[in-house]
Amino acid sequence: QKEVEQNSGPLSVPEGAIASLNCTYSDRGSQSFFWYRQYSGKSPELIMSIYSNGDKEDGRFTAQLNKASQYVSLLIRDSQPSDSATYLCAVTGNDMRFGAGTRLTVKP
Amino acid sequence: DTGVSQDPRHKITKRGQNVTFRCDPISEHNRLYWYRQTLGQGPEFLTYFQNEAQLEKSRLLSDRFSAERPKGSFSTLEIQRTEQGDSAMYLCASSLSFGADTQYFGPGTRLTVL
Repeated sequence: QKEVEQNSGPLSVPEGAIASLNCTYSDRGSQSFFWYRQYSGKSPELIMSIYSNGDKEDGRFTAQLNKASQYVSLLIRDSQPSDSATYLCAVTGNDMRFGAGTRLTVKP
Repeated sequence: DTGVSQDPRHKITKRGQNVTFRCDPISEHNRLYWYRQTLGQGPEFLTYFQNEAQLEKSRLLSDRFSAERPKGSFSTLEIQRTEQGDSAMYLCASSLSFGADTQYFGPGTRLTVL
């Protein structure tokens, strides 16, 4: 079992729709959770961080954390073609572990 | 631009050669991390520093890899006797402190071993 698991996709949504990205992790001692966006050939850039159970909203992005289920998600509302990228889930315990990423395509 | 810089951005080398990469973190950040990323995978943790001290190194990391952070400022990652399997993007990130603090990534160094 991988430490951080994500559906590789590709996930395709029409412009204006809600994109839902999911991530599960194996280490119950994990403390902090991050979503990064990575465009092809570029380095990851932070989208959201979340540290406690529940929802956290920032503009069109909402991160959701459920530590009991070891599950973290990212919702992107009103998806735009510029949101097309790979989304990486990252979890910190003793170090930071990344999932393989979910590739999102937003079609005009 | 996050403020983390890496040099060079691209490196092509022949198998068996040594290569060295440099990372300059955001100036007030005392934690510095190195990752390796191959196509279709997320970044893989290699090592990290708290100031000049190397606190953790991945168990999967070959002895051919070594990293330093003299004086707690910039860091270098050296790969000795490169192999074709070392071809990857090498990413550096920095943060104020570990755990809750966000890691900011540099642009990466893409290594190609022929």
